[in-house]
Amino acid sequence: KNEVEQSPQNLTAQEGEFITINCSYSVGISALHWLQQHPGGGIVSLFMLSSGKKKHGRLIATINIQEKHSSLHITASHPRDSAVYICAVSNPDKLIFGTGTRLQVFP
Amino acid sequence: DAGITQSPRHKVTETGTPVTLRCHQTENHRYMYWYRQDPGHGLRLIHYSYGVKDTDKGEVSDGYSVSRSKTEDFLLTLESATSSQTSVYFCAIPRVAGGAYGYTFGSGTRLTVV
Repeated sequence: KNEVEQSPQNLTAQEGEFITINCSYSVGISALHWLQQHPGGGIVSLFMLSSGKKKHGRLIATINIQEKHSSLHITASHPRDSAVYICAVSNPDKLIFGTGTRLQVFP
Repeated sequence: DAGITQSPRHKVTETGTPVTLRCHQTENHRYMYWYRQDPGHGLRLIHYSYGVKDTDKGEVSDGYSVSRSKTEDFLLTLESATSSQTSVYFCAIPRVAGGAYGYTFGSGTRLTVV
């Protein structure tokens, strides 16, 4: 079993839909990271969380430390949100990655 | 992000040849990391460094060596490349000490071993 599990693996949506990507982990962590990777592109950090909730534009990330679970929400999705979203945990000075969720948003 | 560059961006090499990938940072961070990304596996840690001449192995270090003779450069060497090392390689540094504000990743090196 992977130490960081993401669901779903693949997700398709129509433009404007509300999207949720989930991440569960089984190890102790000092922080949880959400990353974005566009096709053929580099990796960009979206959020780093150690508790609670963070918001940046249409993206919201939450974490429940007791349940070892985090969610990434995208409101009013747009085709430019199409990318792979990766969850990673700091343990403590190294990152352990999930396998990613591939999101496609259609007009 | 500015501050970290990888070279080359693409490389095709033959089985059995040595290959060196370079990661260069201008942020003066102690920590630098090499990951490989493969379908179905996500990113996996190959080696990391916590200072000049201080390195340690990650979960997939077999067949790889690293060197860090200067703060700004972290080199990854495949001593004798194999087809199983065909992958995309990413270098990363913390945005601040301890990764407290996330990580910055290089643009990646796509390596094909034929």
